[in-house]
Amino acid sequence: DTAVSQTPKYLVTQMGNDKSIKCEQNLGHDTMYWYKQDSKKFLKIMFSYNNKELIINETVPNRFSPKSPDKAHLNLHINSLELGDSAVYFCASSSAFDYGYTFGSGTRLTVV
Amino acid sequence: GESVGLHLPTLSVQEGDNSIINCAYSNSASDYFIWYKQESGKGPQFIIDIRSNMDKRQGQRVTVLLNKTVKHLSLQIAATQPGDSAVYFCAETSPSGGYNKLIFGAGTRLAVHP
Repeated sequence: DTAVSQTPKYLVTQMGNDKSIKCEQNLGHDTMYWYKQDSKKFLKIMFSYNNKELIINETVPNRFSPKSPDKAHLNLHINSLELGDSAVYFCASSSAFDYGYTFGSGTRLTVV
Repeated sequence: GESVGLHLPTLSVQEGDNSIINCAYSNSASDYFIWYKQESGKGPQFIIDIRSNMDKRQGQRVTVLLNKTVKHLSLQIAATQPGDSAVYFCAETSPSGGYNKLIFGAGTRLAVHP
């Protein structure tokens, strides 16, 4: 029973397209995140949501729009995809009582 | 700006040896630190954490050491096994923002040879 699940696992698309990545957690956590991992394995936070409210937006281009319909889901929509958006995107969640994050298995986005 | 860790180096060890992975952090307000293991094709997996009121914490075959004076963190893995081969990240967070921002270091690749 996967704790944090992301779909799709792989996404190949052309420049200029719009795509979405979905994330769901069944841990009962209050906070969810999106992280981007570049080709050098560097992990950088993009967004953080707490109980459906945006609390961190790390100067991400507004082509990226997260949406949290409820506290168990955090989706990421990306408009007008660019080559530089190619990366692995990780969803994660945490609770107020345990700051250790649980990560999903990632979505590898390739923009061609 | 904030920064944690070093550029991605590789640590090669023989199976059965002990491994030590180091990490530097720059935010002196950080008071909670975590080590993560990332295997190929998977997300980061929690290994062990430590709060700033401690210098050392032990888990199963792993020990984390924290030196706040020089802002240094290390992960020691005893009797390293092939299954320990992965990229290891240190991460830090602080009360600022309610611990809702985990900053990762650049990672260290651990290669275990038989």
